[in-house]
Formats: sequence, structure tokens, C-alpha cells
Amino acid sequence: RKEVEQDPGPFNVPEGATVAFNCTYSNSASQSFFWYRQDCRKEPKLLMSVYSSGNEDGRFTAQLNRASQYISLLIRDSKLSDSATYLCVVNLGTGGFKTIFGAGTRLFVKA
Amino acid sequence: GAVVSQHPSWVICKSGTSVKIECRSLDFQATTMFWYRQFPKQSLMLMATSNEGSKATYEQGVEKDKFLINHASLTLSTLTVTSAHPEDSSFYICSARSTGTPGGNEQFFGPGTRLTVL
Repeated sequence: RKEVEQDPGPFNVPEGATVAFNCTYSNSASQSFFWYRQDCRKEPKLLMSVYSSGNEDGRFTAQLNRASQYISLLIRDSKLSDSATYLCVVNLGTGGFKTIFGAGTRLFVKA
Repeated sequence: GAVVSQHPSWVICKSGTSVKIECRSLDFQATTMFWYRQFPKQSLMLMATSNEGSKATYEQGVEKDKFLINHASLTLSTLTVTSAHPEDSSFYICSARSTGTPGGNEQFFGPGTRLTVL
């Protein structure tokens, strides 16, 4: 079982749609959680951190369920510019600060 | 956010040659830097963790004699791919952890280096 698993994708949605990404992680000792966005042939960029209380940033909402070891990202009112690969990222928070990346889910938003 | 640079951004080399990639934190000190490799349509895979002034910690399956890492200062880490072969062609990305700011758990990524070995 992969340490971080994501929806396989790709997701093809029209502009204005709401899309949800899911992610599960296997290590219960994981301490911090993030969603990154990666555009084609570019480096990943932090989209938002994920907290147990849930957090929202504009059209983006992230949720964390520690009991289920589940993370989600909701994008409302999708824009063409949202097309990218979304990476679920888990930090084990050990002395070595090990970060595990999910394989990513590709999103295509079409006009 | 903090800025991390990489050089070169892309390189093409012949099989058997060595390639050095530099990773610099431009506006903060990074005691720890990370080197990742990403093959097409795959996720980032951590290769090694680079600690300033000490030996790097390599992930399982990564040959430390082939991928030489040096972290001589708090702002510079280098990755040297020795005797590169076509299967080493990949996108190499470094990141630095900012420990001196409120966002101490955030990693800042360099723009990546695309290596093509002919």
C-alpha cells in the first residue's frame, strides 16, 4: 500500500464546476498535511496547509480527518487556470522531517 | 515566500559524463535541503536529505556513490550525477526547509533541473 494515495484522475470538468479530490495516508504518526499544485514541467507550489478544523482560502477548502486518515480538497467555481496536477503531501514530522508526496491528480478545466 | 534557485534549469549531456546541479536558498538559511526526482507522470520521489556540514541521508534504492550531495553552506547544496546514463534523465528538484520563520514546516521548492542524457 502506498504511503499516500490519491484519486487516479484525470478530472475533466467545465468552468464553474465544483470538484473534489480525496487522499488517504497510511502512517498514523503523520503530523502535517498540505495540498500542492504542480503545473506541467514546473516545480510544486504550496496551495494550502490542511488542518483538522478545516480551512478555506477563497474557492479552495481543505479538510483533514485524522481518525480516517483522510484529506480532501474542494475547488468551487473552477477556472481554466485551475488546470494542473494537485499533490497531496504528508509530513511525517520525525526527526528527519520526511515528506511524502502523493502521485497527484490531474485536473483539466474546460471552457 | 522564501526563494530557492536551481542551476542549471536544463542540461543535455552525453552518457558517461557527470553533471552538477546547484540549489541555493536566496533569502533564508536552510540547514536542511532535500533532493527529489520526478519521472514523467509520476510524483516526486525523495532521493536524499542534505544537512549542512554533514553527510546526506539517502533514501533506500538511491546510490550515494552515483548521486553525490554536498551541503557546504547554509545556502547552497549541490547534487552531482556521476557517470550519467539515459535512465538518469529526469526532472531533479531541490527544496529547502525554512526553520527560522513562522512557517517552519513549509518546504520551498527550486524551479527544477531537467536532465537529458543522450
